[in-house]
Amino acid sequence: DAGVTQSPTHLIKTRGQQVTLRCSPKSGHDTVSWYQQALGQGPQFIFQYYEEEERQRGNFPDRFSGHQFPNYSSELNVNALLLGDSALYLCASSFYVRYEQYFGPGTRLTVT
Amino acid sequence: GQQVMQIPQYQHVQEGEDFTTYCNSSTTLSNIQWYKQRPGGHPVFLIQLVKSGEVKKQKRLTFQFGEAKKNSSLHITATQTTDVGTYFCARNNNAGNMLTFGGGTRLMVKP
Repeated sequence: DAGVTQSPTHLIKTRGQQVTLRCSPKSGHDTVSWYQQALGQGPQFIFQYYEEEERQRGNFPDRFSGHQFPNYSSELNVNALLLGDSALYLCASSFYVRYEQYFGPGTRLTVT
Repeated sequence: GQQVMQIPQYQHVQEGEDFTTYCNSSTTLSNIQWYKQRPGGHPVFLIQLVKSGEVKKQKRLTFQFGEAKKNSSLHITATQTTDVGTYFCARNNNAGNMLTFGGGTRLMVKP
C-alpha cells in the first residue's frame, strides 16, 4: 500500500516563473491538502480539495492555485514565483476532511 | 485568528530525562492533533484528542487535552535519541477542513 507520493523531490526556479507540483494520495483517501513549510516553521495551510473542488483556502494569494483529478491526485500551481515562495511544499491526504492527515515527503522548491 | 501557540520553541534534554511541550489557544478547540517531524522528514500523525480532559498514552508518550479544551500537552517519559524531532500541535477549524499548525517544539536529545 503506497503512501502519499509527491513529485518532483527538488526544484529550482527563477523569480517570475511558474511551477507545478504533483501529489498522489494514499490509497483509499479522497481529500488532499497542500501546505507550505518555511525553514524552522510549522506547515501553513494553502488549500484543501475534496470531490475535485477547493473546499477551504488559507491565507495565500491567487498566485497559488490547484486542481484535483477524478483519481483524487492533485496539483499545486504557483505563478509569478517570488523569492519568498522558497519552501518545502507538503501534500497531505485523508479520508474525508476530519481525520488524521498523512503527509508526503514534500517538494523542496528554491526560487532564485 | 485561530492560532495555536507552542512552548517551548526548543528543548535540549539528556537521554533518559522527561520532556513536555505545551499547546495553547485563546479560543475553544474542537479537537487537537499532534504530529512529529524528524529532521529532514515530513510530519507524521501521532494522535487526535477530542474530549475535554482526555488523556491518551502511546508507550512513553502521554497526551492531554485541557478541561476547557483550550490547551493540550505532550509528555515523553525517559527520552531516547529516537525521540529527536519537532513536535507540532494542530487545530482544525469548525468545518474540519483546515488544519492550523503551531510553531512546533524542537526536541534535541543528548546521548
